[in-house]
Amino acid sequence: AQTVTQSQPEMSVQEAETVTLSCTYDTSESDYYLFWYKQPPSRQMILVIRQEAYKQQNATENRFSVNFQKAAKSFSLKISDSQLGDAAMYFCAYRSEFQGAQKLVFGQGTRLTINP
Amino acid sequence: DTGVSQDPRHKITKRGQNVTFRCDPISEHNRLYWYRQTLGQGPEFLTYFQNEAQLEKSRLLSDRFSAERPKGSFSTLEIQRTEQGDSAMYLCASSSGLAGGHEQFFGPGTRLTVL
Repeated sequence: AQTVTQSQPEMSVQEAETVTLSCTYDTSESDYYLFWYKQPPSRQMILVIRQEAYKQQNATENRFSVNFQKAAKSFSLKISDSQLGDAAMYFCAYRSEFQGAQKLVFGQGTRLTINP
Repeated sequence: DTGVSQDPRHKITKRGQNVTFRCDPISEHNRLYWYRQTLGQGPEFLTYFQNEAQLEKSRLLSDRFSAERPKGSFSTLEIQRTEQGDSAMYLCASSSGLAGGHEQFFGPGTRLTVL
């Protein structure tokens, strides 16, 4: 079974600075998807960024980028120019590419605080 | 609002009572998921529907739990004989079955408190 580990329960960063959230995962599969989801306080979870395992190029979405190291099974999220609205729980998630396997496997989450 | 909606948003019940939650997915999405999230943890998968067929169930879904999606649109999750350990946020998500439609869109959740 696949597992996802986020070793940083809490992180904080000064507004406008850069922060990196860590995620490692364990799988024996070669094809899969990795995601970062954001869950603001009392609000619903939204997708931040997605990475297909077959793509070597790291995904980027505006201020958000990932460092995907397939051999190391590492998938970190970098947030540049941090803004107050980035404060949230961030979850790393894995999804198999195996046909019929639709569930997301989540890590424990990292609570990100932005200091003004 | 065309997002995923869930009802109720909050439910307080006494141990031993039955509760039912509803999820309305994004209208064109044929896949629907239920997850459970306890405080300070990531969501855990419970079950998944494609149209009206329930295709996968987690071992977390004990026989006190039942989920349905009778017409392939909205879904209900029922918990019978609730226990204090059932207290959690129950999240619903939906996705399309189109190629590349990998994003699951989440609803706001139903927070269940069992006294």
